[in-house]
Amino acid sequence: QVQLVQSGAEVKKPGASVKVSCKASGYTFTSYGISWVRQAPGQGLEWMGWISAYNGNTNYAQKLQGRVTMTTDTSTSTAYMELRSLRSDDTAVYYCARVTITMTFDIWGQGTMVTVSS
Amino acid sequence: QTVVTQEPSLTVSPGGTVTLTCASSTGAVTSGYYPNWFQQKPGQAPRALIYSTSNKHSWTPARFSGSLLGGKAALTLSGVQPEDEAEYYCLLYYGGAHWVFGGGTKLTVL
Repeated sequence: QVQLVQSGAEVKKPGASVKVSCKASGYTFTSYGISWVRQAPGQGLEWMGWISAYNGNTNYAQKLQGRVTMTTDTSTSTAYMELRSLRSDDTAVYYCARVTITMTFDIWGQGTMVTVSS
Repeated sequence: QTVVTQEPSLTVSPGGTVTLTCASSTGAVTSGYYPNWFQQKPGQAPRALIYSTSNKHSWTPARFSGSLLGGKAALTLSGVQPEDEAEYYCLLYYGGAHWVFGGGTKLTVL
């Protein structure tokens, strides 16, 4: 079946970096994009950015420009999201989602909790 | 900064009908914004319900429908069930691979 499986929870200190993975299965990885979405505790969903698994093109939310990098490894059908210079307000559950040609985020990963604390 | 606005909370009786809306600070929402709707229950990942304004995924119950209403995207639930109690988010596309989520609507079934 089509699914996205994310890496496990992370605890990081302020100023550190985190890299979350999202492994796809059950579909042709390079035929879709991947978006990353985060959700701070008790808050709504925030779109972080998008990457084409076909050619690696990216687009990031303006507030994260310069701190976030999204990449893919087509040999393993895995997408990655790296966030640098972590702050306490980066504490959130991070989700990856498959993006289709019809601009829908149809399949979601299970989420990865990232806690930033000294 | 683009803002997408949803009702913070709504309450509906079981079996009733409720409409959630999604407005853009840039003006009227059209089909070109490819409105999406998601349902999220506590402790779970969001689940896609509606895409491109009114299209349903294979798993979307028939009681959910999407439309454009008065310059906004709308999600209507007809014959609400207790299990529909959840947070609902809309998502709008602003071109150039850029999306914005609405703040979410907490739907209470009471």
